[in-house]
Amino acid sequence: EVQLVESGGGVVKPGGSLRLSCAASGFTFDDYAMHWVRQRPGKGLEWVSLIGGGGSAPFYADSVRGRFTISRDNSKNFLFLQMNSLRSEDTGLYYCAKDISPYNSGWYPHSWGQGTLVTVSS
Amino acid sequence: AIQMTQSPSSLSASVGDRVTVTCRASQGIRDNLGWYQQKPGKAPRLLISAVSDLQTGVPSRFSGSGSGTDFTLTISSLQPEDFATYYCLQNYNYPWTFGQGTKVEVK
Repeated sequence: EVQLVESGGGVVKPGGSLRLSCAASGFTFDDYAMHWVRQRPGKGLEWVSLIGGGGSAPFYADSVRGRFTISRDNSKNFLFLQMNSLRSEDTGLYYCAKDISPYNSGWYPHSWGQGTLVTVSS
Repeated sequence: AIQMTQSPSSLSASVGDRVTVTCRASQGIRDNLGWYQQKPGKAPRLLISAVSDLQTGVPSRFSGSGSGTDFTLTISSLQPEDFATYYCLQNYNYPWTFGQGTKVEVK
C-alpha cells in the first residue's frame, strides 16, 4: 500500500525558511516522479513543484520559482521541499503526491499524503 | 502560465440529477487534462486522466469529454457521496495549473 507522510510544517515569520519532508513507502520510490501541491486555507488546489524519479527535471509554479527547491533522496525514500523567503501567501496545507505512472517525467498526481500545514505570520 | 477557468464555481443539485462542470483553458492543451474530487478535510482523488480515462474504482456515472480548450466533467446521476469540490488540472505545459474548483452542494 502506498503511504506518503509529510512533516516539517509549522509557523514561520515572513522571510523565513522551512524544509518540508515526505516519507514514502509501499512502492519503488525512484521509479516515480513526485509532486508538491498546496492548498491555502479555504481555497483551491495549487500545483507547486515536480521532480522526476531520478531527481531530474524539477519544475515549479511561477509563484514559488526562485524561492522553493524540490529534491529527493532515493536511498531513503524521501521527498523534500526547501522553502525560502516565505510570504504570507505561502500559508497553506502542503501535500506530497506520487505520480500515477512509473518511468515518466510526470503525468498526474495520484496518491496523496494528508498534508503538512505551513503558516507564515509575524 | 495556462489559465484554467472552471464554471460554475458552485452549484446546487439533488440526488439523481445530471451534473456538468466545465473547464476552459486559456490555450489549447490537447488531451492533457484531468479531474479531481476533494471532500472536506481529505486529500484530492484523481477521477479522470487524459480527458476521459476513468481511474480504477471510479464509478461509471463519472465521465469526461472535450478537446483543445473546452472540457467537461459529467456526473450522470448524482449520488450522496458525490457532494464535493471538483478541480480540473492541465498537465500540457509547465507550470501545471488547476482550475479554481466547483463545489457541488445539496439543493
